[in-house]
Parts: sequence; structure tokens; C-alpha cells
Amino acid sequence: SQKIEQNSEALNIQEGKTATLTCNYTNYSPAYLQWYRQDPGRGPVFLLLIRENEKEKRKERLKVTFDTTLKQSLFHITASQPADSATYLCALARDDKIIFGKGTRLHILP
Amino acid sequence: DAGVIQSPRHEVTEMGQEVTLRCKPISGHDYLFWYRQTMMRGLELLIYFNNNVPIDDSGMPEDRFSAKMPNASFSTLKIQPSEPRDSAVYFCASSLARTGELFFGEGSRLTVL
Repeated sequence: SQKIEQNSEALNIQEGKTATLTCNYTNYSPAYLQWYRQDPGRGPVFLLLIRENEKEKRKERLKVTFDTTLKQSLFHITASQPADSATYLCALARDDKIIFGKGTRLHILP
Repeated sequence: DAGVIQSPRHEVTEMGQEVTLRCKPISGHDYLFWYRQTMMRGLELLIYFNNNVPIDDSGMPEDRFSAKMPNASFSTLKIQPSEPRDSAVYFCASSLARTGELFFGEGSRLTVL
């Protein structure tokens, strides 16, 4: 069955450093991959989308890579700030269907 | 636009009772998704609609769950009878394009005692 794996442990990063989150998947061939941010008690908010034929996407301090051979996406936040602390969710999509990983909690320490 | 609107935000009910969760998608969006989120299982896709038609309900846990979308601006998720294991946060999301960016509501937190 399809499986999406994200770091289950919380990630603690010092302010100003780059945070890197990992999303691995098996038994799936997504047409594209999305990253969302979720704050406590709120719904997820879309951040970035990367297609299967793209290697890298950037948006301000965010960068996403997508390796369909390794079946992995990396999500980077450069110059991290305490306001970046949240849970980050990876989502895979093919046809109409979008499925999510469990997310990684990120803490940026001042 | 006010975004995706869900109601109620919180619901506490007793086992065996019927629960109805409501969702108003963003106007003009033609896809609507229902997800359930728990600590153990994360965000699970229950069902999604395209142009008010259910496309895939393979994520619906069992016959106690049903979802409808009578028109483009309203959807319901019903649980009858409810059980304690149904306790979770239920999210509705809508999108404009096929497998495009999802816009989520704030969720309905359900507690079944």
C-alpha cells in the first residue's frame, strides 16, 4: 500500500540556521508533491508545489527538491526564525487524489 | 472570500448519537475533500467530490460514515451511530484545479464519549 514517511521526531533548529525536513514515499508515483504548514488548532496552509519533472522549486526562504528515483522530497527553510515553528506536512498527488504524511514538528530556538 | 467554512468548530456527543459536520467551500472551487486528522494516523483522506459528484470514497472507514454534496456551496459528513474511536479533527478542503492547492477550513473537533 502507499506509504508516506516524514520525520516522526520533532526537529529543533537554532534560529538563523537552515532547517531541512524529509519526505519519503513508497508504492506511489505522484504527479506532483506539495508542502503545507499547520499551526496548532488550525487547518493546513499550502506553501509550495513541485511537479514530477521538476528538480527544485524556491519561494523566498523556502526551497523544495524532488527526486523521483530516490522517492524523496527535501524541504528547506533558510535563515530560520522562531515564527517558522509549526508542523510541516508533505502531500502527494496523482490524478485527483491528494494524500498526506503525518508531518514533522519543527521548533526554531531563539 | 471568507475561505472554507466549517461548522461546528467543536462537538461533544455521546456514543450512538448522530453527528453532522458541515462545510462551505470557496465559491468557484470544483473539488471538495474531507479529511480526518488524529495523532496516530495523521491526515487521512475520507472522500472527495468533483462538481458535486463523489469520486472516491475508499477512505470512508465504514458504513456509519456518509457524505453528500447537494450543491456547489455545501457538503455534509455524517456519522451515525458515532463511536469513541471517531473522535478526531475533521477537515474540509476545496480546490480550483485538479490536484491543485488545497484550501482548508479550520476543522471540526469531534469528541465522542
